[in-house]
Amino acid sequence: EVQLVESGGALVQPGGSLRLSCAASGFTFNTYWLHWVRQAPGKGLVWVSRINHDGSGTTYADSVKGRFTVSRDNAKNTLYLHMNGLRAEDTAVYYCARAMWGGAGPPDYWGQGTLVTVSS
Amino acid sequence: DIVMTQTPLSSPVTLGQPASISCRSSQSLVNSDGKTYLSWLQQRPGQPPRLLIYQISNRFSGVPDRFSGSGAGTEFTLKISRVEVEDVGVYYCVQGVQFPQTFGQGTKVEI
Repeated sequence: EVQLVESGGALVQPGGSLRLSCAASGFTFNTYWLHWVRQAPGKGLVWVSRINHDGSGTTYADSVKGRFTVSRDNAKNTLYLHMNGLRAEDTAVYYCARAMWGGAGPPDYWGQGTLVTVSS
Repeated sequence: DIVMTQTPLSSPVTLGQPASISCRSSQSLVNSDGKTYLSWLQQRPGQPPRLLIYQISNRFSGVPDRFSGSGAGTEFTLKISRVEVEDVGVYYCVQGVQFPQTFGQGTKVEI
């Protein structure tokens, strides 16, 4: 069974940093691209970042470029999102999701999400 | 970025009756490989999103056959043939033909 479990969400002050993790199991981790998608309270889904199967290729939404860094450890079957310079508008539930194929495939499996709250 | 526009944003439904959601993209979603990268997601209250349909009309594993997708180019539709209680939630279309992937605003289906 494919499972994705996020962790690391917390209350953090504006300008602070946080690292989210996504532990994967039930599939061959190092053959799939992965995404981070976020959802602000009561709002819709917004794509944040993606990383290719071996970590050599990453892309970001303009709203987080230069502040967030996605990485993965294929030996640990874990995806990360390093978040710096956090702003109130980054407050959201952050989901990791597996791309069904390549980088353009739809997100076929999702984690339960982890809540990041940016507030003083 | 490709803009995905869903209608309606809210859809009151009657149990056992059909429901339909439309999604329009600002550009064609046909990829150079000839496939159309349009998918539908369901998000039940308090739950993460779940993939229902990919490439316009392919049901994902475990999705009941009362869900169907259709369309082409820039106009797409998700249909529920007979709404059940467990179908309550928000439905999103999402495109993958062009970076970044973009989602529709969501359509809330409620009894």
